[in-house]
Amino acid sequence: NAGVTQTPKFQVLKTGQSMTLQCAQDMNHEYMSWYRQDPGMGLRLIHYSVGAGITDQGEVPNGYNVSRSTTEDFPLRLLSAAPSQTSVYFCASRRDRGNGYTFGSGTRLTVV
Amino acid sequence: AQKITQTQPGMFVQEKEAVTLDCTYDTSDPSYGLFWYKQPSSGEMIFLIYQGSYDQQNATEGRYSLNFQKARKSANLVISASQLGDSAMYFCAMCSNTGNQFYFGTGTSLTVIP
Repeated sequence: NAGVTQTPKFQVLKTGQSMTLQCAQDMNHEYMSWYRQDPGMGLRLIHYSVGAGITDQGEVPNGYNVSRSTTEDFPLRLLSAAPSQTSVYFCASRRDRGNGYTFGSGTRLTVV
Repeated sequence: AQKITQTQPGMFVQEKEAVTLDCTYDTSDPSYGLFWYKQPSSGEMIFLIYQGSYDQQNATEGRYSLNFQKARKSANLVISASQLGDSAMYFCAMCSNTGNQFYFGTGTSLTVIP
């Protein structure tokens, strides 16, 4: 089925470890974003991209890196995991500014 | 800066009744879009309805309608004939058509009572 695919669905990291959350979409969408969801805080934008080779920071970018080498893929890298990064992470894509996002199923990350 | 405010952390509604979930926004851009998403307990984000800032009529999608009051900068979601399956978190979101960022409110938890 067409959509946004996130892997893994669950992950436990130790403080200081690094990892990459994968995100791929097959809808040829130009816009992609990463959000984190924490209780009582809604979804907060980490990084976003408006096309291959173009990325920018959102509200809470510290501790995360992204790259967009292809239209399909938008991985999120945690450089040195901290307990404050325990959250549910959503990747989303949309065709253009006038459209809403299609979301992946999320990754539940716990940093111990 | 753009901002979305949802002032109702939790709402209850009797099954088959209508309910309104509030959303106000703040933007200086003249052209923007407003969105509502549903997040059931399973966690996925489901798009419900969209309203463009220049749309003359309020958006409707089945039992969902958006009460758009541009001068008051409000975009309330109305759910008619509530069903038990409507119990979920509901998020209001906005994107300006001149910017690239898509902002969410903090959400409202809706519980439908049998």
